Amino acid sequence: NAGVTQTPKFQVLKTGQSMTLQCAQDMNHNSMYWYRQDPGMGLRLIYYSASEGTTDKGEVPNGYNVSRLNKREFSLRLESAAPSQTSVYFCASSHRQFTDTQYFGPGTRLTVL
Amino acid sequence: DAKTTQPNSMESNEEEPVHLPCNHSTISGTDYIHWYRQLPSQGPEYVIHGLTSNVNNRMASLAIAEDRKSSTLILHRATLRDAAVYYCIPPVGNTPLVFGKGTRLSVIA
Repeated sequence: NAGVTQTPKFQVLKTGQSMTLQCAQDMNHNSMYWYRQDPGMGLRLIYYSASEGTTDKGEVPNGYNVSRLNKREFSLRLESAAPSQTSVYFCASSHRQFTDTQYFGPGTRLTVL
Repeated sequence: DAKTTQPNSMESNEEEPVHLPCNHSTISGTDYIHWYRQLPSQGPEYVIHGLTSNVNNRMASLAIAEDRKSSTLILHRATLRDAAVYYCIPPVGNTPLVFGKGTRLSVIA
């Protein structure tokens, strides 16, 4: 099992550009999550999807959109990137929402110039 | 919210036991206490969780106070690969996990 995979691993954008971060899991989990981690900080939840077909805002959703494409895949889109979105982005999944163990991907390091 | 308090950093010698404390004085009676760790340049990984009694797995042990207001993650023999940030997370019902700043553990050879 690959677990949780994320693409790309690194990305540099210019202000105003758009991009989509991809996440996939092969553990048949129902719930998926997107977090961001700024230097020296803990993780903050951007969006989550309790199950296929549902998405909800987390702590810091502004400037992002998500799509739960199917049970395996959960993408995060930045429509117009800003320097404040420079961060490391982690995708995670769990069997049930929140209370079950979350499994994390390796992260995407995004720099917005 | 179950507010948690962890030391910012701790240091251990290799092969020595490490006790990482966490206070979660407002935890409810039915919320499990979860511990995750984050190795350098990696995503967080699950370490252990428990409700009331002490728990052991291949990675660590979790000692939970009788009143559940605090817990201690125990690494029995720290290795250099255990150098990481350790997060204590008592979820509050069916709400998102809150990853605070955790405790940065340094292991000295």
